[in-house]
Amino acid sequence: GEDVEQSLFLSVREGDSSVINCTYTDSSSTYLYWYKQEPGAGLQLLTYIFSNMDMKQDQRLTVLLNKKDKHLSLRIADTQTGDSAIYFCAVPSGSARQLTFGSGTQLTVLP
Amino acid sequence: KAGVTQTPRYLIKTRGQQVTLSCSPISGHRSVSWYQQTPGQGLQFLFEYFSETQRNKGNFPGRFSGRQFSNSRSEMNVSTLELGDSALYLCASSLSAATSHNEQFFGPGTRLTVL
Repeated sequence: GEDVEQSLFLSVREGDSSVINCTYTDSSSTYLYWYKQEPGAGLQLLTYIFSNMDMKQDQRLTVLLNKKDKHLSLRIADTQTGDSAIYFCAVPSGSARQLTFGSGTQLTVLP
Repeated sequence: KAGVTQTPRYLIKTRGQQVTLSCSPISGHRSVSWYQQTPGQGLQFLFEYFSETQRNKGNFPGRFSGRQFSNSRSEMNVSTLELGDSALYLCASSLSAATSHNEQFFGPGTRLTVL
């Protein structure tokens, strides 16, 4: 089955850029997703990228996709304390209706 | 437009009991998926319902079951609860019936504690 890997922790200073990385195994994935989870809350869809794209920018968020290496990254520009949360990469597996999530990256923004 | 709602938000049960969790999707969404989130296993897919039919099922024992009603609301049931069933249960709804793009919107979850 699909395997999605993420590093567990990332700390950055407020105002710096954050880069969260994700690798996956299923090359047939068409859309790949980034979700954010704040303490005690559900998952919020941040952005997604179609597999025929290399990059997608959405305000402070930039998603980069290297399909050959099966590597996905999420860059957050000008990181703010409100960006502190867990970020999940999610890849469709089996039927596209089933998402496989990475372990999540805990982003801590230091003042 | 209201988001995905889940009830109850918190639940405490004892081993051996059963529990029913409810999810109301975003209006117009016909697909509902359920996920279990635990510190040890992370987020794991339970099952997905579309138009009252289970379309996809994850690797969970038969104690975990679900259903969907004609108004797209969904319930999941866990029988003979075990300590390891303690988790955050998340429901997600999506609009598209297409298989290539599955933009799922999540509810706040139900926190189940089994004592």
